[in-house]
Amino acid sequence: DAGVIQSPRHEVTEMGQEVTLRCKPISGHDYLFWYRQTMMRGLELLIYFNNNVPIDDSGMPEDRFSAKMPNASFSTLKIQPSEPRDSAVYFCASRSTLFQNEQFFGPGTRLTVL
Amino acid sequence: AQKITQTQPGMFVQEKEAVTLDCTYDTSDPSYGLFWYKQPSSGEMIFLIYQGSYDQQNATEGRYSLNFQKARKSANLVISASQLGDSAMYFCAMREDSSYKLIFGSGTRLLVRP
Repeated sequence: DAGVIQSPRHEVTEMGQEVTLRCKPISGHDYLFWYRQTMMRGLELLIYFNNNVPIDDSGMPEDRFSAKMPNASFSTLKIQPSEPRDSAVYFCASRSTLFQNEQFFGPGTRLTVL
Repeated sequence: AQKITQTQPGMFVQEKEAVTLDCTYDTSDPSYGLFWYKQPSSGEMIFLIYQGSYDQQNATEGRYSLNFQKARKSANLVISASQLGDSAMYFCAMREDSSYKLIFGSGTRLLVRP
């Protein structure tokens, strides 16, 4: 299995631009999570999906952030408009209900907003 | 309220020696899981070990073991026979089974000296 796939790996953009981060979970996994990692706040859960349905988006910082999961193999996290304080590493993770002991992370997308 | 506490921002250990990374947690949920992840300088999050709240025995995975003391609400990671490649950030995390969310501690940076 290829593991959780994220793209792009690095993104540099200017303030005000729209940013879209992409994630492909491990095949067969029914939970998908988006996290953000910063020096100041550590690893924060932004939102998670179960069977493509958003379950908890209480960690989404503000309305500029949105996430979708149109099918079991694809999810996006969109920031519009982006701001410098959004600069962080964004991780996608997935796991299966059948194997709740493990949650696998993607390699992350390092976002820099100038 | 802080749910996961890692009190050691940084630690050193001599190669081939054992090291214990501390983690305490707080929850009122009777059913939960505790996780440890390793984050090397390359940035990916690597799952190391899992302990369920009802597990009678401490979890072990190769050189990693989890010293689970339920009454004290601690879940320390023990790495035996440290290797240079163990130098990384280590994160403790907890998932309350009522919420499915993985909450992370602030991490401990481990440096293995040759």
